[in-house]
Amino acid sequence: DSGVTQTPKHLITATGQRVTLRCSPRSGDLSVYWYQQSLDQGLQFLIQYYNGEERAKGNILERFSAQQFPDLHSELNLSSLELGDSALYFCASSPLSSGSNGELFFGEGSRLTVL
Amino acid sequence: SQQGEEDPQALSIQEGENATMNCSYKTSINNLQWYRQNSGRGLVHLILIRSNEREKHSGRLRVTLDTSKKSSSLLITASRAADTASYFCATDINYGQNFVFGPGTRLSVLP
Repeated sequence: DSGVTQTPKHLITATGQRVTLRCSPRSGDLSVYWYQQSLDQGLQFLIQYYNGEERAKGNILERFSAQQFPDLHSELNLSSLELGDSALYFCASSPLSSGSNGELFFGEGSRLTVL
Repeated sequence: SQQGEEDPQALSIQEGENATMNCSYKTSINNLQWYRQNSGRGLVHLILIRSNEREKHSGRLRVTLDTSKKSSSLLITASRAADTASYFCATDINYGQNFVFGPGTRLSVLP
């Protein structure tokens, strides 16, 4: 158990809908990362937050947004869903905002299926 | 193409044999990490090697890093069926702001 909790574990929805994925980082970790894993694209970095502030942005679509709340949990909002958004969405946390010694602790992921 | 790319894409060996996976990357890195993922599960950190290190060991794992060739290798010795998983290298290119993962190597260890 990594200590990172993601909900829901599975989600099935229709095209055009909006969903929210939630992540609770390990106790004390200030950094949260979101990754998308699909069969054809591998593990793609979406966005990173540190202590409530956005720190880095990757290949995140404009239809997607995220935030980190004062209690450090994070939410990833996916809107106007398309079939291609079906994927595993991982949250990872790390105690460091920067520095070369950070390892990531991954949650078990949220599997999104868009029909 | 990706910052980190593992080679081979898939590897099948017998229990007890050694497994070697390679990772190549393109830009300068602060550190390189290897992760393991069992099918459909979250990734688990295995080992981290800093850019000024050349070799690191952890149990049955041995990682090497050659910054001049921008490559790393992960050796798993005396493999077990439980080592069956996908293995990913991740490069830290921006001091923890973005870890770039390769597509992974799928390792199958046959009993």
